[in-house]
Amino acid sequence: DIVMTQTPLSLSVTPGQPASISCKSSQSLLHSDGKTYLYWYLQKPGQSPQLLIYEVSSRFSGVPDRFSGSGSGTDFTLKISRVEAEDVGVYYCMQGTHLFTFGPGTKVDIK
Amino acid sequence: EVQLVESGGGLVQPGGSLRLSCAASGFTVSSTYMSWIRQAPGKGLEWVSLIYSDGGTYYADSVKGRFTISRDNSKNTLYLQMNSLRGEDTAVYYCAKVEVWGQGTLVTVSS
Repeated sequence: DIVMTQTPLSLSVTPGQPASISCKSSQSLLHSDGKTYLYWYLQKPGQSPQLLIYEVSSRFSGVPDRFSGSGSGTDFTLKISRVEAEDVGVYYCMQGTHLFTFGPGTKVDIK
Repeated sequence: EVQLVESGGGLVQPGGSLRLSCAASGFTVSSTYMSWIRQAPGKGLEWVSLIYSDGGTYYADSVKGRFTISRDNSKNTLYLQMNSLRGEDTAVYYCAKVEVWGQGTLVTVSS
């Protein structure tokens, strides 16, 4: 089974400052079809998770361009260029190449 | 508008059974892959089960042999039959396609 790890597990950010979350998988997420099924979700307090990024770096419809994803193979990163108050919550990476596995989550709050 | 609405959660005794439903609108459940994902109180996300458009089904080891995923194409509804329930199955259960999640339904296993 694939294990997903995230660092850091918590992050306190000043509004307007950048933030970065790392996600690593225990196996390569490159699928035989050539795609890499790595997703990023944000779960705001009291809400269901919402998709931010799919296939490593594609921003989902309606997601602000301050969110960006990058990476390949086993190492991936989510970056927020300028954190806003509405970005607080728990960020999860999820792999969908070998069934599905979630990372443990990174809790982001505002200083 | 694409929407998923879960129902069927509740309080059940250990060893009991429950069937969750997920009514879909705005798309056809049989045309894509659908998952059940759960979140224990205060914990992270755990993938539970998956059904592909061709009907293939997959389960997390923690529920294999106890849970069954299915769908009714005529009702455009996804189901999760949960048998031999344990305390560790207590969680909010979400149905999801990658880009859309339901609001979740709470299952509590307790005597």
